[in-house]
Amino acid sequence: KAGVTQTPRYLIKTRGQQVTLSCSPISGHRSVSWYQQTPGQGLQFLFEYFSETQRNKGNFPGRFSGRQFSNSRSEMNVSTLELGDSALYLCASSLVVAYNEQFFGPGTRLTVL
Amino acid sequence: KNQVEQSPQSLIILEGKNCTLQCNYTVSPFSNLRWYKQDTGRGPVSLTIMTFSENTKSNGRYTATLDADTKQSSLHITASQLSDSASYICVVSPDSNYQLIWGAGTKLIIKP
Repeated sequence: KAGVTQTPRYLIKTRGQQVTLSCSPISGHRSVSWYQQTPGQGLQFLFEYFSETQRNKGNFPGRFSGRQFSNSRSEMNVSTLELGDSALYLCASSLVVAYNEQFFGPGTRLTVL
Repeated sequence: KNQVEQSPQSLIILEGKNCTLQCNYTVSPFSNLRWYKQDTGRGPVSLTIMTFSENTKSNGRYTATLDADTKQSSLHITASQLSDSASYICVVSPDSNYQLIWGAGTKLIIKP
């Protein structure tokens, strides 16, 4: 069974631009969660999607948004990028809820110049 | 306030030695506790998941313990290897309807 895939793996953007990251969960998994990890910091929860609906949301500004498609694939979007948005963005999938075991993708490394 | 605290923040040990990492939590209600291993620049990988009724769980050289009364967990690594160098993160799930509570992790360095 293929694992969680994230694209792109690396991304360089400039301040003010917007970016879209993609995540394909493990086949059969319906919950997708997104996390931000900055150097030396723990994982910060962004949001969780299930059946195309946002179920939980962390404490991030409205510039961070996401969506989930009917095939459970998910995208997250960051608009008006700031230098502080440079981070590793991780996607995790689980069977039904994040309460179940989560499986993480390799992450997308975003650098904002 | 739901919190997960891990100690030490970082640890350096020699290859072949054992070590124990600590996790204290103030999360209620409590559903399960997980330990993840995260290599630098990679996604976390699950090591163990324990519910409140389990007080120990092993995964190879990794053994996690849980004391739900004192709200403490530990991860013991036996006969460390260079590949054990990573961050180890403790995560507590309050309930199926709540988001997970993540610890900041312990950075473990194994020296030859």
